Amino acid sequence: DTGVSQDPRHKITKRGQNVTFRCDPISEHNRLYWYRQTLGQGPEFLTYFQNEAQLEKSRLLSDRFSAERPKGSFSTLEIQRTEQGDSAMYLCASSSGGQNTGELFFGEGSRLTVL
Amino acid sequence: AQKVTQAQTEISVVEKEDVTLDCVYETRDTTYYLFWYKQPPSGELVFLIRRNSFDEQNEISGRYSWNFQKSTSSFNFTITASQVVDSAVYFCALGVSGNTPLVFGKGTRLSVIA
Repeated sequence: DTGVSQDPRHKITKRGQNVTFRCDPISEHNRLYWYRQTLGQGPEFLTYFQNEAQLEKSRLLSDRFSAERPKGSFSTLEIQRTEQGDSAMYLCASSSGGQNTGELFFGEGSRLTVL
Repeated sequence: AQKVTQAQTEISVVEKEDVTLDCVYETRDTTYYLFWYKQPPSGELVFLIRRNSFDEQNEISGRYSWNFQKSTSSFNFTITASQVVDSAVYFCALGVSGNTPLVFGKGTRLSVIA
């Protein structure tokens, strides 16, 4: 399977714990995006990378959130000191062009539940 | 600021019926892009179509068709002869020129009943 893969698919954690999600994009795609989706809502943009450079961050990305893409390939999204409001589906997408110029390829998401 | 409104939260139809999903957008930019994505139960959003603001031509792809009307700021999606496999949440999204993030609507959950 050469699509976007995310790991883990599900994570249950206690409030205050740290969690990390990984995204492996389609190999030839230089752009990688993180979105968050809560129940009954559409995806909301968090951040995006072009190669290893993080070019934009949403105001939704508080200082407890950090994302990296160290070698321009896979990316990690870490949430420190999780809160119940962080419970959501975290979606990763990749593309070979900008968000507006073509298709985003999404992974199946990582669902986070904070107890 | 950009905004996308999908007024229909849930729609149920019987198989083989036609169904139209509405999308209304707001932007002050003259160059923008509109998208539809499908999210089946597996959770993975699947790209369906992209249109730019300079191309108002309607498009048909098999049982899917899209009606873009700048006069009413709408980009509606019609499925003809719906099938159970069409059951999913459908999202309309808007992007403006440059690489600003896409803004998604809240989605319309379509249930096609056999």
